[in-house]
Amino acid sequence: DGGITQSPKYLFRKEGQNVTLSCEQNLNHDAMYWYRQDPGQGLRLIYYSQIVNDFQKGDIAEGYSVSREKKESFPLTVTSAQKNPTAFYLCASHRTGGKNGYTFGSGTRLTVV
Amino acid sequence: KQEVTQIPAALSVPEGENLVLNCSFTDSAIYNLQWFRQDPGKGLTSLLLIQSSQREQTSGRLNASLDKSSGRSTLYIAASQPGDSATYLCAVRNDNNDMRFGAGTRLTVKP
Repeated sequence: DGGITQSPKYLFRKEGQNVTLSCEQNLNHDAMYWYRQDPGQGLRLIYYSQIVNDFQKGDIAEGYSVSREKKESFPLTVTSAQKNPTAFYLCASHRTGGKNGYTFGSGTRLTVV
Repeated sequence: KQEVTQIPAALSVPEGENLVLNCSFTDSAIYNLQWFRQDPGKGLTSLLLIQSSQREQTSGRLNASLDKSSGRSTLYIAASQPGDSATYLCAVRNDNNDMRFGAGTRLTVKP
């Protein structure tokens, strides 16, 4: 079955450390997104990519970086510059060229220790 | 900038009740509106997708309506069950790159 796979499910980061969250999809979707979810708040967009080798900043890109070397993969790196990284991170994708809905992965919970 | 509001933030009902969740948005120039379900610690599961040209969509016990002119959508759940307990999120898409989410309504259905 097609879907989006996020790994790991839980991730712990030490102060000053960079960590990378994985997002892989086999839906043949062109567009991919990273969102951050904090308790009691809606999802906030970090980065998005509509095609390979191209990506754009969302509302809260500071302290994060991404790459899109393959259509299927859109990894997110949380850098040491992100001062409050503890959150639930969600990856999503959709097919462009039409009014299609979004498909989400199961999420990664990142905790600073 | 599109703002999406969901009311109430939390709702508790006895099993078997019919209920309505509300979503409002400030910019009526939308592509579509999507309702999601989120269980604790999980990702989002799509429930219904309503295009801007549609008035409603139905799936089983769920019915979502859209009134673009007034900037409102409702999610109607018939004959609620304990398994419906979850957080329900409304998301509005304005263009190909911009999707805005409400903070969600946390639903508890008591046996």
